[in-house]
Amino acid sequence: DSGVTQTPKHLITATGQRVTLRCSPRSGDLSVYWYQQSLDQGLQFLIHYYNGEERAKGNILERFSAQQFPDLHSELNLSSLELGDSALYFCASSGSGGKLFFGSGTQLSVL
Amino acid sequence: DAKTTQPNSMESNEEEPVHLPCNHSTISGTDYIHWYRQLPSQGPEYVIHGLTSNVNNRMASLAIAEDRKSSTLILHRATLRDAAVYYCILRPMDSNYQLIWGAGTKLIIKP
Repeated sequence: DSGVTQTPKHLITATGQRVTLRCSPRSGDLSVYWYQQSLDQGLQFLIHYYNGEERAKGNILERFSAQQFPDLHSELNLSSLELGDSALYFCASSGSGGKLFFGSGTQLSVL
Repeated sequence: DAKTTQPNSMESNEEEPVHLPCNHSTISGTDYIHWYRQLPSQGPEYVIHGLTSNVNNRMASLAIAEDRKSSTLILHRATLRDAAVYYCILRPMDSNYQLIWGAGTKLIIKP
């Protein structure tokens, strides 16, 4: 158990819809990262938050947004969903030392 | 950002040592070498990391070439539970989010 909690585990929705993925980092970790993993692909970095502030953006579409709340949990919002958005979405947290601790992911299926 | 090159897949017999290679010829002097693995249907899991010297922990050993342009992850006695995709990635000393994830090496363990 990494200590990072992601909900929901599975999400099935239709094109054009909007969904919210939630992540609770390990206790004490201030950084939260979001990654997307499409079928048989490596992880694509989406966005990084540190203590409520956005620190870096990767290959994140304009239809996607994220935020980190005062209690340090984070939400990734995906809107105007397309078939190609179907993927595993991982959240990771880190403290000092540079190690990333990943949640078990949210499997998003857009039909 | 520096990238890494790994074989797409490797096979090994159970209870034998496994050497997983990684080339990173454009590594900079301040890049850490990180290894993660991803078991089926799970999020990536930290394995080991190093900078210049070889490293050992309870999961594996990391051998780093003297010129740092390549490294090898060593599993001393592979078990069926070690079957996973192994990622070798570089992390700049001042960042976590710049991790570039390739496709990794799919390790198949034969009983």
